[in-house]
Amino acid sequence: EAQVTQNPRYLITVTGKKLTVTCSQNMNHEYMSWYRQDPGLGLRQIYYSMNVEVTDKGDVPEGYKVSRKEKRNFPLILESPSPNQTSLYFCASSGLAGPTSYEQYFGPGTRLTVT
Amino acid sequence: AQSVSQHNHHVILSEAASLELGCNYSYGGTVNLFWYVQYPGQHLQLLLKYFSGDPLVKGIKGFEAEFIKSKFSFNLRKPSVQWSDTAEYFCAVSPGDYNNDMRFGAGTRLTVKP
Repeated sequence: EAQVTQNPRYLITVTGKKLTVTCSQNMNHEYMSWYRQDPGLGLRQIYYSMNVEVTDKGDVPEGYKVSRKEKRNFPLILESPSPNQTSLYFCASSGLAGPTSYEQYFGPGTRLTVT
Repeated sequence: AQSVSQHNHHVILSEAASLELGCNYSYGGTVNLFWYVQYPGQHLQLLLKYFSGDPLVKGIKGFEAEFIKSKFSFNLRKPSVQWSDTAEYFCAVSPGDYNNDMRFGAGTRLTVKP
């Protein structure tokens, strides 16, 4: 089954404790992206990657890092989380060719709380 | 960079009522347009998309959207809503040749009363 998976689904942590949210897709998609969803603000892009070893900042990259060492994986790293990073995070992927190109497939979301 | 406006934050309808959710974008070039739906506790799913061609696009579950280029709009419609349509709806826009800059609207929460 074609899917985007994220782990963990729920995470409560404390300020300053480094964490990683994993994202993996099994559709051989070139493009992957991270968003955060906050009430009244919709989804805002944090980082995206057009392919392996190619990443770039989205609208709200401050406080986040990403890496793309393999095509299927795109982890989101919070080196020193702060309470304003409490949010719902979504990973997405899409292909760049074919009938479903540019359609983004979303993961189930990770709800992060930073106290 | 492009931006997306969704005019209605929360819409409440009775079953069988007709639905229209507004979406306007600001971007001068060619665009790809999308509507996504997020059911309670679930991830976003694609309802429909417009890349080119017929400006009236039909999607899943009886939804359709019309692209009006002169108005920079891509409104979502459904003739008769059901209770199961209760969800949050997001309009999204990306530049015509790339998807690395997809912008989402703030979302419209739809509540359908049985």
